[in-house]
Amino acid sequence: EVQLVESGGGLVQPGGSLKLSCAASGFTFSDSAMQWVRQASGKGLEWVGRIRTKANSYATAYAASVKGRFTISRDDSKNTAYLQMNSLKTEDTAVYYCTSDRVGPAYCSSSSCPMDVWGKGTTVTVSS
Amino acid sequence: DIQMTQSPSTLSASVGDRVTITCRASQSISSWLAWYQQKPGKAPKILIYKASSLESGVPSRFSGSGSETEFTLTISSLQPDDFATYYCQQYNSYSTFGPGTKVDIK
Repeated sequence: EVQLVESGGGLVQPGGSLKLSCAASGFTFSDSAMQWVRQASGKGLEWVGRIRTKANSYATAYAASVKGRFTISRDDSKNTAYLQMNSLKTEDTAVYYCTSDRVGPAYCSSSSCPMDVWGKGTTVTVSS
Repeated sequence: DIQMTQSPSTLSASVGDRVTITCRASQSISSWLAWYQQKPGKAPKILIYKASSLESGVPSRFSGSGSETEFTLTISSLQPDDFATYYCQQYNSYSTFGPGTKVDIK
């Protein structure tokens, strides 16, 4: 079964740090770019960032709202992606979803791909 | 950055109705658009990719069309399981989601 499982969420004070993990199973993790999407309570979906594969030099891209504060990484030997969040703000409070890209040139633009597998999400609360 | 808009923001409909949701991009995104369905407390689920390609396992009552800056998601005959919020997403340049359209019971 194709699955993504996020972990690492919790309560953190403003200015603090948190690292989320996303464990993948059921597909060839190393062949798939990974993305993070967040959703504040009662709000819409917000793209956070993306990491590509080794073949694409693990290139990363970030939303303007998190650039310089958040870092996405991956460990293909552990089938796990990570989201390191620093200098957290109250507006970063959200459910954070890990997603995997639909693989293949027929599906993807030169920049990104649709997200065909989603985890159930992990909740991050930034509050004093 | 590419901005996405959706209309309407809320749609009240009955089982059996034909439902159309519109998504507009602030600049051309070719056909690099996906549609997702999200139910309360659940992760989104992909319905359509590349503007009109139906994801495997998604009922054929869902269809997508459009290109460049204007796109539509159509549900040909609304079923009880379809009451949810629908998001479009451009992936021509990184990624941006639309604000969502909530389909609720009339």
